[in-house]
Amino acid sequence: DAKTTQPNSMESNEEEPVHLPCNHSTISGTDYIHWYRQLPSQGPEYVIHGLTSNVNNRMASLAIAEDRKSSTLILHRATLRDAAVYYCILRGHNAGNMLTFGGGTRLMVKP
Amino acid sequence: DVKVTQSSRYLVKRTGEKVFLECVQDMDHENMFWYRQDPGLGLRLIYFSYDVKMKEKGDIPEGYSVSREKKERFSLILESASTNQTSMYLCASFRGASGAYEQYFGPGTRLTVT
Repeated sequence: DAKTTQPNSMESNEEEPVHLPCNHSTISGTDYIHWYRQLPSQGPEYVIHGLTSNVNNRMASLAIAEDRKSSTLILHRATLRDAAVYYCILRGHNAGNMLTFGGGTRLMVKP
Repeated sequence: DVKVTQSSRYLVKRTGEKVFLECVQDMDHENMFWYRQDPGLGLRLIYFSYDVKMKEKGDIPEGYSVSREKKERFSLILESASTNQTSMYLCASFRGASGAYEQYFGPGTRLTVT
């Protein structure tokens, strides 16, 4: 899987939108951009993924830059339950089975 | 909602005991995995299975075995538990190996071997 770069940590206020950035300048044309999060003492949780177009689901939105070298996970209204480590991962068409998590971004949400 | 469940959230076992960790998914996925997660080491793949009765070793299979008799169930067995197997164990499943598919994880089993 190609490399991604994320800030180590971010802070947000409850009820406000949060934009979590991810840089992936070496992304290839067949790489999907995946986001997972992991709450304390829990298994990782799938959030969203996309290839080229922006994606929305009930948890979040994924905004993908036109050149695909960066993306942003958007939580529209942060809650205390969104405090977690968020991982941005690239997976190619023949990605194989294993997921490899990098350092991720630790999101802290203040009440 | 898709679901991956694990038999226990917390488990304490003694050195030398045989330990069974069970995982069940309700998504009819072919592929199932066992990882362990330790601080600073990220996720490490122990075993995976891409079909009933099929299994493949991951990166750290030593001391572990697996069983997949039914599509929805994947069991991890610690033949003789040791203290270095104290860890968080995570089961996951997904439809296919392509990047188009997401993985779904269970809540994890925190195993302590004393």
